[in-house]
Amino acid sequence: DIQMTQSPSSLSASVGDRVTITCRASQTVGRYLNWYQQKPGRAPKLLLYGASTLQGGVPSRFSGSGSETDFTLTITRLQPEDFATYYCEQTSSSPWTFGQGTNVEVK
Amino acid sequence: EVQLLESGGGLVQPGGSLRLSCAASGFPFSTYWMHWVRQVPGEGPVWVSRIDNDGNTIYADSVRGRFIISRDNAKNTLYLQMNSLRAEDTAIYFCARDPLAHGSCYDIWGQGTMVTVS
Repeated sequence: DIQMTQSPSSLSASVGDRVTITCRASQTVGRYLNWYQQKPGRAPKLLLYGASTLQGGVPSRFSGSGSETDFTLTITRLQPEDFATYYCEQTSSSPWTFGQGTNVEVK
Repeated sequence: EVQLLESGGGLVQPGGSLRLSCAASGFPFSTYWMHWVRQVPGEGPVWVSRIDNDGNTIYADSVRGRFIISRDNAKNTLYLQMNSLRAEDTAIYFCARDPLAHGSCYDIWGQGTMVTVS
């Protein structure tokens, strides 16, 4: 199975900050990399797919980059509603696997 | 409104069975690949199974041979038959829609249904 490792596991930030989360795959996944946001008690929400394609309705302050094994999720100008846990997921080969998550909390 | 609604979760003894349902509405269900994803509260999501629109299925190793994913396109419903349940199957189970097929992602999720094996 492809292992997905996110860093950091948690971070503290303030409204207006620029936040960067990294996801590394144990083997190449091309650009088959998705990012999700999850808030407590809710299902995950798709933010980006194909490493950098923004899902409809997701604010443009979210962006993704990378390919093969190294990927980045960037949130520019963090908003109050962005405090949540973020997960990457590879869908290059079965079983699809998620990272362990990055909790973005209020500083 | 595009919606997925799971049901069928509950408390079951080890070795028991449970069937989860996921009722879809607001979109042409038969044309979409569908997935089950589970999550232990406080942990990350884990992909469980996928069925394509031709009925082809794949499973995570941890459930293969015990779980069966199926769909009834006439009823717009996805199922997960869970047999020989183990304590480690305890989780919230989500059904999710895959808009991409090849390459997969999940753009619509249900609210989840809790399965407790104890």
